[in-house]
Amino acid sequence: GDSVTQMEGPVTLSEEAFLTINCTYTATGYPSLFWYVQYPGEGLQLLLKATKADDKGSNKGFEATYRKETTSFHLEKGSVQVSDSAVYFCALSDSGYALNFGKGTSLLVTP
Amino acid sequence: GAVVSQHPSWVICKSGTSVKIECRSLDFQATTMFWYRQFPKQSLMLMATSNEGSKATYEQGVEKDKFLINHASLTLSTLTVTSAHPEDSSFYICSAKLNHQETQYFGPGTRLLVL
Repeated sequence: GDSVTQMEGPVTLSEEAFLTINCTYTATGYPSLFWYVQYPGEGLQLLLKATKADDKGSNKGFEATYRKETTSFHLEKGSVQVSDSAVYFCALSDSGYALNFGKGTSLLVTP
Repeated sequence: GAVVSQHPSWVICKSGTSVKIECRSLDFQATTMFWYRQFPKQSLMLMATSNEGSKATYEQGVEKDKFLINHASLTLSTLTVTSAHPEDSSFYICSAKLNHQETQYFGPGTRLLVL
């Protein structure tokens, strides 16, 4: 079945450091791919998405490119801020319906 | 943006009792709502899909008689954990989506502790 694997956390970075959170997937079809973010005490929020191969999703300085050849959707940001501290979830939807999530990666950015 | 609320945000109950969790879409009508369960340091696992006015569709391994879902209106879905036991302790999260749209909007979650 479909699955999402993302790097284990927690990830601790200094402010202005470069961020990469790896995400790979397995799917039988052509899924849409998502990154969700969960700030402390809040619900999951859609950060960005890509619906087909080679699409790049971007939002708030974060980017991720849908790579079909490597079945990956790695999240990147060039310069993280303390306010980016949160848990990040990679997810896929193969039916345009329910989401299949990775385990989440906790990010802590220190001043 | 679309806002989804959940109530209560946390609940502690005795084993054998039933607990109801509400999920509301505050500023939009949700034709479909989803219920997820999250164990510590684990993924969100889809429990069931709830469509307004029809019976919920449960994922394999989820007991429909234990986790009762009602989606009586376009803005409210409820999850009732019946005869709760300590192994039901978990973080329950709902999400809602508009018809013909892919994006799901998530509630803040409800933490359930069964003693």
